[in-house]
Amino acid sequence: QKEVEQDPGPLSVPEGAIVSLNCTYSNSAFQYFMWYRQYSRKGPELLMYTYSSGNKEDGRFTAQVDKSSKYISLFIRDSQPSDSATYLCAMSGLVTGNQFYFGTGTSLTVIP
Amino acid sequence: DADVTQTPRNRITKTGKRIMLECSQTKGHDRMYWYRQDPGLGLRLIYYSFDVKDINKGEISDGYSVSRQAQAKFSLSLESAIPNQTALYFCATSDQNYEQYFGPGTRLTVT
Repeated sequence: QKEVEQDPGPLSVPEGAIVSLNCTYSNSAFQYFMWYRQYSRKGPELLMYTYSSGNKEDGRFTAQVDKSSKYISLFIRDSQPSDSATYLCAMSGLVTGNQFYFGTGTSLTVIP
Repeated sequence: DADVTQTPRNRITKTGKRIMLECSQTKGHDRMYWYRQDPGLGLRLIYYSFDVKDINKGEISDGYSVSRQAQAKFSLSLESAIPNQTALYFCATSDQNYEQYFGPGTRLTVT
């Protein structure tokens, strides 16, 4: 079983839609939960992170962590064509030796 | 200038050749990482280093070696390249448990 599972998509939505991206994980020792965005032919960039459980909001983006279910989500409201990218979830923790564990990424296309 | 640079950006080589991918960073971070990215497999860790004297194998280190020449430089070598090492390679740095800074990637093709 992989440490982090993520539906690869692809996901295609109309502009203005709400997008939900999800990951599940198996290691209960993870403490940091991140979402990275990767545009074509670029390296991933951190979009948001959450420490432990709970929600975090940043503009149109909301990250949720449910440690009891080992499930994390990223919601994008009022999606824009510029949101078209691959979204990778990632996790880390002190007990995992400061290694980052990535999901496979979900490809999102927002259609104007 | 970019904080994390990788050279070369693209490389085509033949089976059996030795290849070195180089990474430099100006962020002053101690932690550096090498990943490869393949369609459907995501980012997989090859090697990581937490300081000049500390080198650790990642998930898929077989067929690869690394050298940490200085805090700012971390090189990845393929001693004898094989076609299934064709992939996109990323270097990354970090000083936190929640953020890594990635280079632009090196697209390597082994024929």
